[in-house]
Amino acid sequence: AQTVTQSQPEMSVQEAETVTLSCTYDTSESDYYLFWYKQPPSRQMILVIRQEAYKQQNATENRFSVNFQKAAKSFSLKISDSQLGDAAMYFCAPSPYSGAGSYQLTFGKGTKLSVIP
Amino acid sequence: DTGVSQNPRHKITKRGQNVTFRCDPISEHNRLYWYRQTLGQGPEFLTYFQNEAQLEKSRLLSDRFSAERPKGSFSTLEIQRTEQGDSAMYLCASSRGTVLYGYTFGSGTRLTVV
Repeated sequence: AQTVTQSQPEMSVQEAETVTLSCTYDTSESDYYLFWYKQPPSRQMILVIRQEAYKQQNATENRFSVNFQKAAKSFSLKISDSQLGDAAMYFCAPSPYSGAGSYQLTFGKGTKLSVIP
Repeated sequence: DTGVSQNPRHKITKRGQNVTFRCDPISEHNRLYWYRQTLGQGPEFLTYFQNEAQLEKSRLLSDRFSAERPKGSFSTLEIQRTEQGDSAMYLCASSRGTVLYGYTFGSGTRLTVV
């Protein structure tokens, strides 16, 4: 079983500034993927960034990057140059990697990010 | 790629009634998932199909819930004898092979049981 903790229910950031959303997880799996998803109000869930746990290099996707600390089971998301369109709920979600498995995601409770103009 | 389509978008039903939701995944995606999201929470896994086979079900999926994916294409989720606790957003997602590239989610069906 996996558990995910997102300790910041709400965050705010000034437009063009940088914000970091935290996530810790607990898993007994040795191989897994980690994802951050974004859910804008009344809109569908969108993949923001992914990380393969066996890779030491932190993933980067344009203005989004992660700080992955495998030993600490921490997977934070940094958003640089924040834009109004970044306002959304952000969910951290690990997924165990198993060739025969379902790859189901376990989501945290989310962090609501507000962007202040 | 027309995305994952879910119908209806909203459903209001009286307690005790049966409801059915439909999900049309991306055509080349062989994996299909159902999740449930209640207010203020992240989505919770309900069930998973690989092609037409339902391979995993969560303990959250009581006997009143049933899901099908005939011919490995669209999927339906039926809730019998709905209860107020079933009120939630029901999300469908699909993926192709490995989940490395994440899922594509639909916009969800919001169920309100009155």
